Amino acid sequence: AQSVTQLGSHVSVSEGALVLLRCNYSSSVPPYLFWYVQYPNQGLQLLLKYTSAATLVKGINGFEAEFKKSETSFHLTKPSAHMSDAAEYFCAVSEQMNRDDKIIFGKGTRLHILP
Amino acid sequence: GAVVSQHPSRVICKSGTSVKIECRSLDFQATTMFWYRQFPKQSLMLMATSNEGSKATYEQGVEKDKFLINHASLTLSTLTVTSAHPEDSSFYICSARGQEEAFFGQGTRLTVV
Repeated sequence: AQSVTQLGSHVSVSEGALVLLRCNYSSSVPPYLFWYVQYPNQGLQLLLKYTSAATLVKGINGFEAEFKKSETSFHLTKPSAHMSDAAEYFCAVSEQMNRDDKIIFGKGTRLHILP
Repeated sequence: GAVVSQHPSRVICKSGTSVKIECRSLDFQATTMFWYRQFPKQSLMLMATSNEGSKATYEQGVEKDKFLINHASLTLSTLTVTSAHPEDSSFYICSARGQEEAFFGQGTRLTVV
């Protein structure tokens, strides 16, 4: 069964600093990987996804993630943090890219931006 | 892009009553929808997979008689929390997958008093 592990339930960075949110996955087949962002009392918004094409994936709001099979990782980065980036971030995995396959989420990382 | 609409966004009910939450896919047909539950400051836990025209598939530990799921059409799935208790208070989110990504409803904050 697939799973993801997010290291660090809380991460604090200064405004303008590099954002790095860590995610490691476990899957018996080549995975499809996602990063979602959630603002308080709202649903989830897709930041980016890895679907076995390019290993470096660019998403919205300046975020990107790199798929590293050797490290079973899919860490999320952003060169310069903005106050509006403060939110909860979830890494997620799916074994297939079809409508019937469930997506499994990590425990989430709350990103705090320090002024 | 595709949109999933969830209703209501907030509901408060008395202990012992039942609450129905609706999840609609607005511009695509979803033979499968997913229901998640999220406790405060925690992750989304998959509760069940809703299958159009057939019984839902529940994850281990989820009471199927308490969380009734109906997926009567290709655009609507409902989750009914029966005989609600305060411990059922949570944030419930539905999801439907499109061609390449999953779309999520805005969530329902259920408070049982």
